[in-house]
Amino acid sequence: DIQMTQSPSSLSASVGDRVTITCRASQGIKNDLGWYQQKPGKAPKRLIYGTSSLPSGVPSRFSGSGSGTAFTLTISSLQPEDFATYYCLQRNSYPYTFGQGTKLEIK
Amino acid sequence: QVQLVQSGAEVKKPGASVKVSCKASGYTFTSYPIHWVRQAPGQRLEWMGWINVGNGNTRYSQKFQDRVTITRDTSATTAYMDLSSLRSEDTAVYYCAREEGYKYGYDYWGQGTLVTVSS
Repeated sequence: DIQMTQSPSSLSASVGDRVTITCRASQGIKNDLGWYQQKPGKAPKRLIYGTSSLPSGVPSRFSGSGSGTAFTLTISSLQPEDFATYYCLQRNSYPYTFGQGTKLEIK
Repeated sequence: QVQLVQSGAEVKKPGASVKVSCKASGYTFTSYPIHWVRQAPGQRLEWMGWINVGNGNTRYSQKFQDRVTITRDTSATTAYMDLSSLRSEDTAVYYCAREEGYKYGYDYWGQGTLVTVSS
């Protein structure tokens, strides 16, 4: 199975900060990487697909980059509603696997 | 609007089975695959498997291969996830999710169903 490792596991930041979360795959996954946001007690929400594409409705302050084994999610200017847990997901090979999550908390 | 509505919380004893349903509405049910993902308390999300709703073909994670069955009823626009031989480690919230396309990932999710396994 492909192991997905996120860093950091938790992060404290302030409204307006720029934040970057990293996801590393144990083997190459091309650009078959998505990012999901989850708030407590809620289902995940898609933020990014195909490493860097934003679905309609997702604010442009979210961006993704990377390829192969190293990927990043960047939030350019944190908003109050962005405090949540973020997961990367590889869909290059079965079984699809998620990172362990990055909990973004208010400083 | 697209909606996936899952069945309610379940409490099961070890060794039992559970069947969670996912009722779809607001789109052509047979045009989009449905995947199942679970999340144990405090743990990461875990992919379980998926069904091609159009033809009924399935693919499962090896971890659950012997215990999980995903089916669908196209007339009821509902997908189902059946997990057998339950153990305490299966206590989790189970989600269904619609795959917009291979490249696009999961655009709509059910609200989640808590399955508790306890003697």
